Amino acid sequence: DTAVSQTPKYLVTQMGNDKSIKCEQNLGHDTMYWYKQDSKKFLKIMFSYNNKELIINETVPNRFSPKSPDKAHLNLHINSLELGDSAVYFCASSQDSGLNQPQHFGDGTRLSIL
Amino acid sequence: DAKTTQPPSMDCAEGRAANLPCNHSTISGNEYVYWYRQIHSQGPQYIIHGLKNNETNEMASLIITEDRKSSTLILPHATLRDTAVYYCIVRFHSGAGSYQLTFGKGTKLSVIP
Repeated sequence: DTAVSQTPKYLVTQMGNDKSIKCEQNLGHDTMYWYKQDSKKFLKIMFSYNNKELIINETVPNRFSPKSPDKAHLNLHINSLELGDSAVYFCASSQDSGLNQPQHFGDGTRLSIL
Repeated sequence: DAKTTQPPSMDCAEGRAANLPCNHSTISGNEYVYWYRQIHSQGPQYIIHGLKNNETNEMASLIITEDRKSSTLILPHATLRDTAVYYCIVRFHSGAGSYQLTFGKGTKLSVIP
């Protein structure tokens, strides 16, 4: 069973469109994250939710809106997609937000903007 | 800022131990050292983490110096499947009640047959 699963794995779309990426974890974790990995392979935190509440928002444009319907899910909705949004987006989860809790990552969603 | 320094690349012969160094000279007393790896096209994979003491699990060993300013990840018997980018991360308080991971450039480990 996949611990952290993301859908879709690949997403190709036109500039200006709105799209969503879904993430689910079956580990019973309280905290979930979204990361962005750009073309230079740097991995950066975007958002963090703990028990469905936002605890980190790292200067991400308002076009990105995370939604957590329950603590097992953290979806990412992106409005008015731009060329610079092309990247690999990773979801992750951890038992809680403490320093001593490792994060477990999904396999990523490869977003390409045409 | 990643707060860590790693060599950009290393080679290791298959079956030998791979020793990956990491400098974190500005680490604070309550900050953990984490190691992740990313195999091409996959998500980052957690390997091990530690605070002060050396740690060992089924994947690797983590050796942290007494002053905590550097550490070494040891893969005891490297296989071709261990070829990946290895990230050493100091996990710090973000100021927002959570402790995020900040990834640097990592070390690209190539295991050679």
